[in-house]
Amino acid sequence: QKEVEQNSGPLSVPEGAIASLNCTYSDRGSQSFFWYRQYSGKSPELIMSIYSNGDKEDGRFTAQLNKASQYVSLLIRDSQPSDSATYLCAGKENSGYSTLTFGKGTMLLVSP
Amino acid sequence: NAGVTQTPKFQVLKTGQSMTLQCAQDMNHNSMYWYRQDPGMGLRLIYYSASEGTTDKGEVPNGYNVSRLNKREFSLRLESAAPSQTSVYFCASSGDRPIVSGANVLTFGAGSRLTVL
Repeated sequence: QKEVEQNSGPLSVPEGAIASLNCTYSDRGSQSFFWYRQYSGKSPELIMSIYSNGDKEDGRFTAQLNKASQYVSLLIRDSQPSDSATYLCAGKENSGYSTLTFGKGTMLLVSP
Repeated sequence: NAGVTQTPKFQVLKTGQSMTLQCAQDMNHNSMYWYRQDPGMGLRLIYYSASEGTTDKGEVPNGYNVSRLNKREFSLRLESAAPSQTSVYFCASSGDRPIVSGANVLTFGAGSRLTVL
């Protein structure tokens, strides 16, 4: 059973702080990881993907992957109230055809 | 640029009624998916279609059927709705990036909120 675990939160941070969202996964065959943001009442939208160990930066967002520890994280620098949303972590295998396994999501609240 | 279009956006059914959720994508994607999302349960895959003419069960297929009508359209049918099927349903599609890159980016529709009384 492939599982992706996330703390449901809410994670509360003040505006301008760094928000750190974490995700662990059980399937060592998972090689690609994705972070989706979902605003209340809306559909998920992709914000980051990461396939290799290490860090990947895109603007205020940094994804980190540690395959040995089976750990994925998303850092949001200079957090804004507009970042308040639920963040979904998802993983998949690279070989053959496989589907995404989603975590249950972490709610982030950024207070002004 | 519509992306993934789902209909209806809202639906209320009585127990035992049937209905079909429609989904269409205009991105020429081969793969399409149906998920349900419940509070505290995250996104759970109901059925998917890796290509036109094929469908496969996901994590929670019981009580549902699907049809991949053509490359664009993938419908989800509830034959006899139950209160446990009250949920938000999302259709999604993905392209065929090279497997070696690991890319399988899902694009989601806006969702369909279904209530079964």
